[in-house]
Amino acid sequence: SAVISQKPSRDICQRGTSLTIQCQVDSQVTMMFWYRQQPGQSLTLIATANQGSEATYESGFVIDKFPISRPNLTFSTLTVSNMSPEDSSIYLCSVTASYEQYFGPGTRLTVT
Amino acid sequence: KQEVTQIPAALSVPEGENLVLNCSFTDSAIYNLQWFRQDPGKGLTSLLLIQSSQREQTSGRLNASLDKSSGRSTLYIAASQPGDSATYLCAVDTGTASKLTFGTGTRLQVTL
Repeated sequence: SAVISQKPSRDICQRGTSLTIQCQVDSQVTMMFWYRQQPGQSLTLIATANQGSEATYESGFVIDKFPISRPNLTFSTLTVSNMSPEDSSIYLCSVTASYEQYFGPGTRLTVT
Repeated sequence: KQEVTQIPAALSVPEGENLVLNCSFTDSAIYNLQWFRQDPGKGLTSLLLIQSSQREQTSGRLNASLDKSSGRSTLYIAASQPGDSATYLCAVDTGTASKLTFGTGTRLQVTL
């Protein structure tokens, strides 16, 4: 299994600002994933982050809006840039271990 | 493109009832299927993982089945308890870099 922590757990931000979310895993993993869950919706994959390479973004998500860093095998950050109220969501990171996916507790972001 | 649907969207049952949650997916070429539980405002907890070669998995009062050819999975919860109240999500892994496609979720309420 894998234990994942995220910081911050929640934040309220003003329109036009940026927020960086941190994800820490208790073991080394090759791939880390970032998901978004908009209010009342299911999860949508934003991007896959591999250590030492550029993140791979899903359709509808771009690096300028959601830059991702992956400096080592246990850590990643997701930045939500130039925020608007539509970015209000829960952001979750996840990893795969023994074919199973494990998720962090999520970061609840509210943009005013 | 894989699409995952869950029925019903919401369910309310009295304590002690056995219940079945349904998940269907459009592309049967899956690597595995995973059931998760999500409490309000929280991250996801993995419940059961079914590999594509398996037909079912059991954990305590939970039993998940998989019929790949028909594109269906069911989650059976025996003797439901108020603590089972949560949103249940199924997700399929098509084997493309472990990316998950999530269903729409079933919001379960178990009443006293």
